[in-house]
Amino acid sequence: KAGVTQTPRYLIKTRGQQVTLSCSPISGHRSVSWYQQTPGQGLQFLFEYFSETQRNKGNFPGRFSGRQFSNSRSEMNVSTLELGDSALYLCASSLDGVEGSPLHFGNGTRLTVT
Amino acid sequence: EDQVTQSPEALRLQEGESSSLNCSYTVSGLRGLFWYRQDPGKGPEFLFTLYSAGEEKEKERLKATLTKKESFLHITAPKPEDSATYLCAVQSNQAGTALIFGKGTTLSVSS
Repeated sequence: KAGVTQTPRYLIKTRGQQVTLSCSPISGHRSVSWYQQTPGQGLQFLFEYFSETQRNKGNFPGRFSGRQFSNSRSEMNVSTLELGDSALYLCASSLDGVEGSPLHFGNGTRLTVT
Repeated sequence: EDQVTQSPEALRLQEGESSSLNCSYTVSGLRGLFWYRQDPGKGPEFLFTLYSAGEEKEKERLKATLTKKESFLHITAPKPEDSATYLCAVQSNQAGTALIFGKGTTLSVSS
C-alpha cells in the first residue's frame, strides 16, 4: 500500500511570495492533517481536514490555509512568505481522524524562504 | 494547556546497552499517547498508540508503557539501526484530533 506522498520535496521561495504544497493520503484515508517542523519549535499542528471540511485548526496566522478535495487529496497554501516560515511541512493521514487513531506521515516538503 | 516533555534530549548507547526514554505529559483528558520514530530527512514513522494507564505495547526491541503522568520507551539490546529521533505525542480532549508533540530524544547507538 502506498504511503503518504508529498510534493514537491524541496522548495526555495523569496519573502513575500506565496507557495502551495500538495499531499496525497494513503488510499482509503479520509482525514488529512498538516504540521510544521522546525528545530526550535518541533512539530506544530496547522490544521486537519475531513471530508473536504476543516475540522480542526492550530494557532497559526491566516496566511496559512488549506483545502481538501473530494478524493481526499489536500493542499496547503502559505501567502506573503516570511523568513520564519522556513521549515519542514509534513502531511499526515488517518483512516477517519477519530481521536486515538494513529497518523501516518509523509516525508515532507522542505521550504526555504530567502 | 496541554504539554509534552521528553528526556533526555540526546542519548548515546553502545550496541546491546539497554535504556529507556521518558515522555512526561500534562493534558486535559488523554485520548491517546503516540510514539514515533523519525530518521533524518524523513517524516515520523508510527510505532505505538497507548490509551490508558497500565497499557504496554511491544515491537521487536521496543516496549512502550504508560502511566497517568508519563510514558517510557524501553529499548532492549539496541542495534545501530535503532539510531533515530524518537517522538512522543498526545491527543487530548482540549486539542481534539491534533497531536501535541514533545521535542524528541535523539538516540545514537554505536557498534
